[in-house]
Amino acid sequence: DIQMTQSPSSLSASVGDRVTITCQASQDISNSLNWYQRKPGKAPKLLIYDASNLETGVPSRFSGSGSGTDFVFTISSLQPEDFATYYCQHYNNFPYTFGQGTKLEIK
Amino acid sequence: QVQLQESGPGLIRPSETLSLTCAVSGGSIDSSSWSWIRQPPGKGLEWIGYIYYNGGTNYNPSLKSRVTILIDTSKNFFSLKLSSVTAADTAVYFCARGGYIFDPWGQGTLVTVSS
Repeated sequence: DIQMTQSPSSLSASVGDRVTITCQASQDISNSLNWYQRKPGKAPKLLIYDASNLETGVPSRFSGSGSGTDFVFTISSLQPEDFATYYCQHYNNFPYTFGQGTKLEIK
Repeated sequence: QVQLQESGPGLIRPSETLSLTCAVSGGSIDSSSWSWIRQPPGKGLEWIGYIYYNGGTNYNPSLKSRVTILIDTSKNFFSLKLSSVTAADTAVYFCARGGYIFDPWGQGTLVTVSS
C-alpha cells in the first residue's frame, strides 16, 4: 500500500495567516491526489482534485500543487470557517489511502 | 444537487454482519460510481470500496474477504455489508459519490461493535 504522510499533524494559526500543509507519498503517484476538509459532525468536503484543480464553488484562497511524491496544500488567507481537519488522499492504485490529517486550530 | 444519507444500526455485536444503506437524492444513481469510507475513533480515513452503477466493484484488499457492496438502481440506494465484525470495525461510516474522487459525502453514521 502507498503510505501518505501528512505534516504537520496539527497547526495553530490566526485569521489572515497563510497556511501550508504537505503530503508525501511513499511512491510516485503522478498527480493522483485529492484534498478534503472535514469539520466535526459534517460531511467531508472535496477541495482540490488531481493535485491542483480547485473544485467548483471552493474559494480561491485554497490551492494545491505538486506531483510525483511531494504535494502542498495552501490556504492563502485563513478565514474563521477554515478551522477544520484536512486530509490528502491518493488514487494512483488500489487501495486508495489517506493521510492521517492535519488539524488546523485557532491560535 | 446530489445528497447522500447513511442509515443503519448504531450498535452491533461482535461476529455479526454490519449492514448500512446510503440513500441518494437529487440525482440518479445509475450514472456514477459510489463508495464507502470509514474513520475509526481517533484514527484516519480508510477507503472500503466502491461499486459502479452497473454492479462492478473494487474493494480494499484488507477488507475484501468480509465486504460486499451492492447497488439498487430502481430505488436509488447502495449498501455495505461487513461480516464477522470486531471492535476494530467500530467507526464512522461514510458513503460518497465517486470511485476515486469522493464528492459529495454523506454526514456519516457511527457504528459501534460491542457486546
